[in-house]
Amino acid sequence: AQTVTQSQPEMSVQEAETVTLSCTYDTSENNYYLFWYKQPPSRQMILVIRQEAYKQQNATENRFSVNFQKAAKSFSLKISDSQLGDTAMYFCAFIRNSGYALNFGKGTSLLVTP
Amino acid sequence: GAGVSQSPSNKVTEKGKDVELRCDPISGHTALYWYRQSLGQGLEFLIYFQGNSAPDKSGLPSDRFSAERTGGSVSTLTIQRTQQEDSAVYLCASSPRTSGGGSYEQYFGPGTRLTVT
Repeated sequence: AQTVTQSQPEMSVQEAETVTLSCTYDTSENNYYLFWYKQPPSRQMILVIRQEAYKQQNATENRFSVNFQKAAKSFSLKISDSQLGDTAMYFCAFIRNSGYALNFGKGTSLLVTP
Repeated sequence: GAGVSQSPSNKVTEKGKDVELRCDPISGHTALYWYRQSLGQGLEFLIYFQGNSAPDKSGLPSDRFSAERTGGSVSTLTIQRTQQEDSAVYLCASSPRTSGGGSYEQYFGPGTRLTVT
């Protein structure tokens, strides 16, 4: 079984600053995908960024980037130039290459303040 | 185009009643998933449909829970004899998956918040 751990239940950052959310996972698989999802108060889960485990290069999407350390089984999300609209729950998720069910962490509640 | 839709948005029911939650996936998506999001358990996988194959029901928490997908499109999650611990947000997702695990993004609906009183 795979487990995903997010050790920061809540975080706060000022607008325009940078914040990093942590995620670690445990698996015996070699091929898998990792995701960060954002869930604003509207409840809609939105994919922020995806990383394939076989790729060494860290994924980036505009202000969002990851630090993927496969050996350490770590997958952190960096949000640069934080905006008020980034306020949301952020979930780290894992899926085996041959699987279909996402395994989610417990989430980190991020508050961006003016 | 239209995203995944779910109805109702909110449902309040009395303990012991049956409820039906509906999911309308993105047109053309062959895979459909149900997840449950509760305060104590976080996000849990419930059931997976892929095309005309038999669904994977391994995540359903009890035999009070069932789901069906008609015509490879709309899905209904039914909870019989609801209990207070069934209170949660039920999320549906769909993807164009034909093979290969996480290579296909799962698109989520807005969820149904179920409250059992």
